[in-house]
Order: sequence, then structure tokens, then C-alpha cells
Amino acid sequence: EAQVTQNPRYLITVTGKKLTVTCSQNMNHEYMSWYRQDPGLGLRQIYYSMNVEVTDKGDVPEGYKVSRKEKRNFPLILESPSPNQTSLYFCASSPGLIFHEQYFGPGTRLTVT
Amino acid sequence: GQNIDQPTEMTATEGAIVQINCTYQTSGFNGLFWYQQHAGEAPTFLSYNVLDGLEEKGRFSSFLSRSKGYSYLLLKELQMKDSASYLCAVHTGGGNKLTFGTGTQLKVEL
Repeated sequence: EAQVTQNPRYLITVTGKKLTVTCSQNMNHEYMSWYRQDPGLGLRQIYYSMNVEVTDKGDVPEGYKVSRKEKRNFPLILESPSPNQTSLYFCASSPGLIFHEQYFGPGTRLTVT
Repeated sequence: GQNIDQPTEMTATEGAIVQINCTYQTSGFNGLFWYQQHAGEAPTFLSYNVLDGLEEKGRFSSFLSRSKGYSYLLLKELQMKDSASYLCAVHTGGGNKLTFGTGTQLKVEL
């Protein structure tokens, strides 16, 4: 089944404890992206990647890192999480952004205390 | 910067037609997407417009006017399962960024 998977689905952690949220797609898509979704603010793009070893900042990249060493994986790294990073995170992939829909993962609900 | 506006909430009756508007002011424009998101779930793709005009897909249609920075999503023969948030998103040029509006929460009532 073609899909985007994220792990973990739910995470509660403490301020400053490094964490990684994994994202994997099995559709051989070039484009992958991370979003956070907060009430009243909608979906905001954190980082995106056009291909292996090619990443770029979205609208809210501060406090996050990403890597794209393999085409299928695009992990999101929070080196020192803070409470303002409490949010619902979505990973998405697409064959390419222009003319192509994005397929979203199921989401990761992160709480930082 | 990018600015995308949608109404926050709308209510409509089962079987009726509803139009959800989206206006945008962005630096560059490559296309406009509409996504549907049910509560607690991931967004799913509805439509994509790059040229002016109406794109029809079953009960859903989407319209774009690039000169006016305006789009709408038209939902016909509303069903209870159409109760969801509808997200307008603009693909801006020069960086392959996708900027979303805050979404319109549609409630379909009997």
C-alpha cells in the first residue's frame, strides 16, 4: 500500500531532551516536507526537500533540523525542544510540487513540558 | 510576505451547495491547492488550479482568478461526511514553498 508513515504518533517529552520524528514514504517521491499545525495558525511549513541531500527552509524552521540521506526517509530533529514546539506535526511527500498533490502522513502529536 | 485568507467557519444544510472562498497575496504564484481535513486526521487532496477558470471533479469544483488573487471551492449536494476543515494552499515560485490558509471549518447540518 502506498503510504507515508510517521513515528512516533504521540510523544510527551521534557524541555531540552533531543528527539527525532521519523518519516518514510514508499512511493519513490522526490519531494518531502514537514509541517506543524496549531489552532488558529493552520499548517505551516518547517522544511522541505526536493531530493536526496537537497533541503530548504520553509516558513518556520527555527529550532528544527532535517536530513535527507535516502530518498524514502526525511526525519525531523528537535535538538533542544521547548514548550512552544508543542504541536501536531505532519510529514508529506509528492512526486514533485508543481501539478502534484501531496500525500500526508497520519501526524505526530508532540507535547513538550 | 504571504497572506492567505479564508472564512473561519461556515454552516450549510445537507443537500445544499456551499462556496468556500480563498483570497491570497503572495510573492510569486505557481498554483493553488484545496485540501480537506477531517478532525484528527491528515489533510487529503481535493483539487489543483494553475490556470484561470473552473475545474470540476464530481461534487467538488474549484475556481481560480489569478488577476484577482481569488479562488473558491464549490461543494454540491452536501453530505454529512463533508463536515470538515477545508484548506486553501498556494504554491509560490522560487522556492517550492507551500503556504496554507488557516482553513475553513464547514459544518453540515440536517
